Amino acid sequence: GAVVSQHPSWVICKSGTSVKIECRSLDFQATTMFWYRQFPKQSLMLMATSNEGSKATYEQGVEKDKFLINHASLTLSTLTVTSAHPEDSSFYICSASPDWVQGSSVDSPLHFGNGTRLTVT
Amino acid sequence: GQNIDQPTEMTATEGAIVQINCTYQTSGFNGLFWYQQHAGEAPTFLSYNVLDGLEEKGRFSSFLSRSKGYSYLLLKELQMKDSASYLCAAIRQNFVFGPGTRLSVLP
Repeated sequence: GAVVSQHPSWVICKSGTSVKIECRSLDFQATTMFWYRQFPKQSLMLMATSNEGSKATYEQGVEKDKFLINHASLTLSTLTVTSAHPEDSSFYICSASPDWVQGSSVDSPLHFGNGTRLTVT
Repeated sequence: GQNIDQPTEMTATEGAIVQINCTYQTSGFNGLFWYQQHAGEAPTFLSYNVLDGLEEKGRFSSFLSRSKGYSYLLLKELQMKDSASYLCAAIRQNFVFGPGTRLSVLP
């Protein structure tokens, strides 16, 4: 159980275009999902916390107008990279937990999607 | 802040035991997770500590001291496939990862 599906697995786009990445919880409801990006040989950097039915919470230094997050249902969050540039090329990965409660995680780890490798040319 | 520190790289020999340390700021802390990540793949869950002490899961064990803001992951009977990055993550209002430790297991 607790499967998180992320789509697409990889995408190549031209500079200036927008790319949407979907994150779905397949067998549980997730009021909260987390979006990370990861550069080669670096750790996962939390970009934002996606909250169902309300605005996402962005980490310091992450442009909310560039990385649009929509969490319209209890099983789907989307990240849209707007006006992509080559420096946005990275590995983007989402995660969720069926037991996540704001400020704590009740004996349940985060489950990760398989990630999306974005290349902007 | 949410400073989480880990050694950048470690090397060990197949069959040996290795301990990977993680230190974090204790304010607002609710728990600590350990994940394994192979290059180009999603992280996979290894272990979780909320209370002080040792949690054992087969070849992997994790220890937590909340007063000291310290945790470690212990890997026993190392195998070549254990070569990966090991990430600790502290839970507060969100879920933030440390910088990760790249472990190389040598024959």
